[in-house]
Amino acid sequence: SAVISQKPSRDICQRGTSLTIQCQVDSQVTMMFWYRQQPGQSLTLIATANQGSEATYESGFVIDKFPISRPNLTFSTLTVSNMSPEDSSIYLCSAPGFYGTEAFFGQGTRLTVV
Amino acid sequence: KNQVEQSPQSLIILEGKNCTLQCNYTVSPFSNLRWYKQDTGRGPVSLTIMTFSENTKSNGRYTATLDADTKQSSLHITASQLSDSASYICVVSALGGNYQLIWGAGTKLIIKP
Repeated sequence: SAVISQKPSRDICQRGTSLTIQCQVDSQVTMMFWYRQQPGQSLTLIATANQGSEATYESGFVIDKFPISRPNLTFSTLTVSNMSPEDSSIYLCSAPGFYGTEAFFGQGTRLTVV
Repeated sequence: KNQVEQSPQSLIILEGKNCTLQCNYTVSPFSNLRWYKQDTGRGPVSLTIMTFSENTKSNGRYTATLDADTKQSSLHITASQLSDSASYICVVSALGGNYQLIWGAGTKLIIKP
């Protein structure tokens, strides 16, 4: 199994600012995923982050708003840029386990934009 | 279109009672089906993973079933405890899906003393 450490666990931010969320995995993984979970809803995939290449974004999400870094096989960051109250959500990172049959998650970052 | 639908949307039961949550999917080609438990404000935690050939899998008081013919799955919780209060999410992975997952909306389960 993989252990994913995500931080910060929560933050309250002013609109117009940016927040960078970090995820550290205790083993090397090819892919990492970033999700958003809005209040009362299930998870929505934002993007897939591969090491050494540009992240692949899902429909409705763009790099300018959610830039992602993947400098090595154990670490990734997601930045929520120019935040508005609509960005208030839980953000989660995830990594597949061995054979890709499992998905491990970070603890989540609860973001509130005021 | 690949979809996962769960029912009921929410459920309230008394501590000690059993309950069953349902999941129907239209994901093709199918790779595996997972049930996750998500406590409020936390990341999801895997309960079970089942592939095409598996009909049932247990994890303590949690038992998942899979009928690949009808594309239905259920999660049965036995002798519920207050700590079972959470959202239970059914997630299906498609073959060749690049590890991507199709998420159900979840069932919010509340256990009352």
